[in-house]
Amino acid sequence: NAGVTQTPKFRVLKTGQSMTLLCAQDMNHEYMYWYRQDPGMGLRLIHYSVGEGTTAKGEVPDGYNVSRLKKQNFLLGLESAAPSQTSVYFCASSTGLVYEQYFGPGTRLTVT
Amino acid sequence: DQQVKQNSPSLSVQEGRISILNCDYTNSMFDYFLWYKKYPAEGPTFLISISSIKDKNEDGRFTVFLNKSAKHLSLHIVPSQPGDSAVYFCAASLLITQGGSEKLVFGKGTKLTVNP
Repeated sequence: NAGVTQTPKFRVLKTGQSMTLLCAQDMNHEYMYWYRQDPGMGLRLIHYSVGEGTTAKGEVPDGYNVSRLKKQNFLLGLESAAPSQTSVYFCASSTGLVYEQYFGPGTRLTVT
Repeated sequence: DQQVKQNSPSLSVQEGRISILNCDYTNSMFDYFLWYKKYPAEGPTFLISISSIKDKNEDGRFTVFLNKSAKHLSLHIVPSQPGDSAVYFCAASLLITQGGSEKLVFGKGTKLTVNP
């Protein structure tokens, strides 16, 4: 099992560009999450999904969109990147509830 | 408003001694508490958890204590090993009434360094 994988690992964007971060899990988990981690901050929830075809807003959803077309994939989109979105992004998945989430290795995004 | 607080950004201990990481929370509705460990350039990994109906949970060298009246939990690592050097995040589970799902609220983390 690969667990939770994230693509890409690193990316540099210019302000206004768009991109999509891909998260994939092979554990048949229902719940998937996108977090961002900034220096001196804990992980903050951006969006989450409780099942295929469903998404919901987390704590810091502005500037991001998500889609869960397949159970194993959860996509995070930035339509018009801003320097404030420079961060490390983590995807996670879990079974029915939030207990013991499994995290991916992270994507380091820099917006110049 | 920070609901989960880890007031010590860093902690340094000697190998073989006890490491105590602390976490305070403000919301009495939290029903489950977890500790995650994170190494540089990796995602966080689950370490240990405790339900709000318990006051202690032990797993090998790791023990988590919960004091609900003080809204405080702590993680004890005994004995500490150099491989334990990492950032430790405290997290609390909160039921989201809309949709009925739950989310985790994370603290800012404490960087533990275990010196040989």
